[in-house]
Amino acid sequence: QSALTQPASVSGSPGQSITISCTGTSSDVGGYNYVSWYQQHPGKAPKLMILDVSDRPSGVSNRFSGSKSGNTASLTVSGLQAEDEADYYCSSYTSSRTWVFGGGTKLTVL
Amino acid sequence: QVQLQESGPGLVKPSETLSLTCAVSGYSLSSGYYWGWIRQPPGKGLEWIGSISHTGSTYCNPSLKSRLTMSVDTSKNQFSLKLSSVTAADTAVYYCARTLYGGNDYRGQGTLVTVSS
Repeated sequence: QSALTQPASVSGSPGQSITISCTGTSSDVGGYNYVSWYQQHPGKAPKLMILDVSDRPSGVSNRFSGSKSGNTASLTVSGLQAEDEADYYCSSYTSSRTWVFGGGTKLTVL
Repeated sequence: QVQLQESGPGLVKPSETLSLTCAVSGYSLSSGYYWGWIRQPPGKGLEWIGSISHTGSTYCNPSLKSRLTMSVDTSKNQFSLKLSSVTAADTAVYYCARTLYGGNDYRGQGTLVTVSS
């Protein structure tokens, strides 16, 4: 199975909004509303930020939002804060009854 | 609150079998859901390994399937991973997690397994 495609890095200034894309195929991202996003700070375990494309788990800031169009899912972080600087990974369920991750995106807050 | 904790050897020799166990508290495995494993080699991204249901039904990463065995013990409320014929490429932090179709909502803190002689 091929990894989902994410940009290697994105950056933004405090207060701005950024969007991270996650591109797959009709067999994964495009075929199911089972896309999730994870935030990972250095040396820490990944934290679930979005599940089922756009749902936020309890305790996750509403500055984080998810969406999907066709075979591409997106994570938007609004009102950027220094603490948002981290690696972000997307994941999707697939038609092969497996899950696949994206390669990860490093978010830098300038 | 659901909590997961990985345990197992931190060092495994090449060609041997890596064995990890994930103890779950705050939720009974026999109540349902899939429970899975994810790994992250040092400095690299996340890789889904496989997931198992409380009845023992499994989903596996095709690239690991031939070396992978997963099991669940509902009496001990834990599930396990065995990865055979390991090489240095299997060196990673291994996480256990509760697997929903749309994401992994609870996970352990991870355990580093190094493959080296």
